[in-house]
Amino acid sequence: AQSVTQLGSHVSVSEGALVLLRCNYSSSVPPYLFWYVQYPNQGLQLLLKYTTGATLVKGINGFEAEFKKSETSFHLTKPSAHMSDAAEYFCAVSGGGGADGLTFGKGTHLIIQP
Amino acid sequence: IAGITQAPTSQILAAGRRMTLRCTQDMRHNAMYWYRQDLGLGLRLIHYSNTAGTTGKGEVPDGYSVSRANTDDFPLTLASAVPSQTSVYFCASSDSRVSTQYFGPGTRLTVL
Repeated sequence: AQSVTQLGSHVSVSEGALVLLRCNYSSSVPPYLFWYVQYPNQGLQLLLKYTTGATLVKGINGFEAEFKKSETSFHLTKPSAHMSDAAEYFCAVSGGGGADGLTFGKGTHLIIQP
Repeated sequence: IAGITQAPTSQILAAGRRMTLRCTQDMRHNAMYWYRQDLGLGLRLIHYSNTAGTTGKGEVPDGYSVSRANTDDFPLTLASAVPSQTSVYFCASSDSRVSTQYFGPGTRLTVL
């Protein structure tokens, strides 16, 4: 069975500050890891994903995430927050071995303070 | 290319009524999924289909059924709606079980 834990249901940062959203996962098989963003009243949009290869993954809108197998983590970062980054962020894991669909974390609401 | 369309956008339904949520994709993806999103719980998988003609149960399948008669359509049916099925429902599709999933805009369902 797979699971995802996102630390912090709400994270508040000042505009221009570093954004760090934490995600830890458990998986019995090598995981595929995803970060999605959801703006109010919209569907989910892929930010970035890790499948194999380079552990530092760059995504859209200046976000990146690093897969750390030893820490079972896939934290999302952005060097400088912008007001438009305010949204809900979801970490998700997908594995083979019979698992279908994505297992999502409960989400982190990112608040940007002016 | 529209991607994934869902209908209706929103619906208020009396408990006990039957309801079908529609989902259509034009990307010729093999796999399709239904999730429900509830505040504080994230998204949870209801049912999935890895290819036309096959379906499977996800984490929260009770009270829901699906069919996959062709590649493009994946309707979700609530046979007899209950208030606990009040939620936002998202349909998604992907090339395969482990590739990126693309999401529709969602259906907001309220069961009274």
